[in-house]
Amino acid sequence: QPVLTQSSSASASLGSSVKLTCTLSNGHSNYMIAWHQQQPGEAPRYLMKIEGRGIYNKGSGVPDRFSGSSSGADRYLTISNLQSEDEADYYCETWDNSAWVFGGGTKLTVL
Amino acid sequence: QLQLQESGPGLVKASETLSLTCAVSGDSINSHYWGWIRQPAGKGLEWIGRVFISGTLGYGTTNYSPSLKSRVAMSIDSSTSRFSLRLTSVTAADTAVYYCAERTYSGSLTWGQGILVTVSS
Repeated sequence: QPVLTQSSSASASLGSSVKLTCTLSNGHSNYMIAWHQQQPGEAPRYLMKIEGRGIYNKGSGVPDRFSGSSSGADRYLTISNLQSEDEADYYCETWDNSAWVFGGGTKLTVL
Repeated sequence: QLQLQESGPGLVKASETLSLTCAVSGDSINSHYWGWIRQPAGKGLEWIGRVFISGTLGYGTTNYSPSLKSRVAMSIDSSTSRFSLRLTSVTAADTAVYYCAERTYSGSLTWGQGILVTVSS
């Protein structure tokens, strides 16, 4: 079963860009992952899925400022032109034939 | 548009059974995968399990988190477009917001709004 590793926190200034990282465990570097955003007091929201080749597909209504990429076992979520409403927890997630697995989440602070 | 709505008691006594239902509208429950995820206050997301209707078997097939497997049961009812979660022998550690979700065959996920369940002693 894969394991996902995320930094617990990140911060960036309003209007700047930030790149969040999710790392797949050994032997699972080709797995697809999903990114979810959870704003304070809200249910999580699906943002996108990212394949091992770096191809990503965003969910409905996700702003163009959000993009995804991949390198080896790492999957990235890049947010450009940071807005105050981007301050949230971001979770990566993967799945296989028998389980769904979440990373520990990254708390993003917009300065 | 797919909508998921959790329902069930918001308060459960310790040692009893937690039972929740998720009502599905806007998509067929006969397709895709249907899951339960929970989140204790201030903590991360924990997958509980998933259920789906197997095309070859024609009835619900389940997979559960290894850490909860001994206490969890899920079911699915295509006649009512609902799927359910039962968690037995609950303790305070089971107090959390419980989310139902749909995973499509392409991998995208849709979340329900969540329901807070508190286990009282």
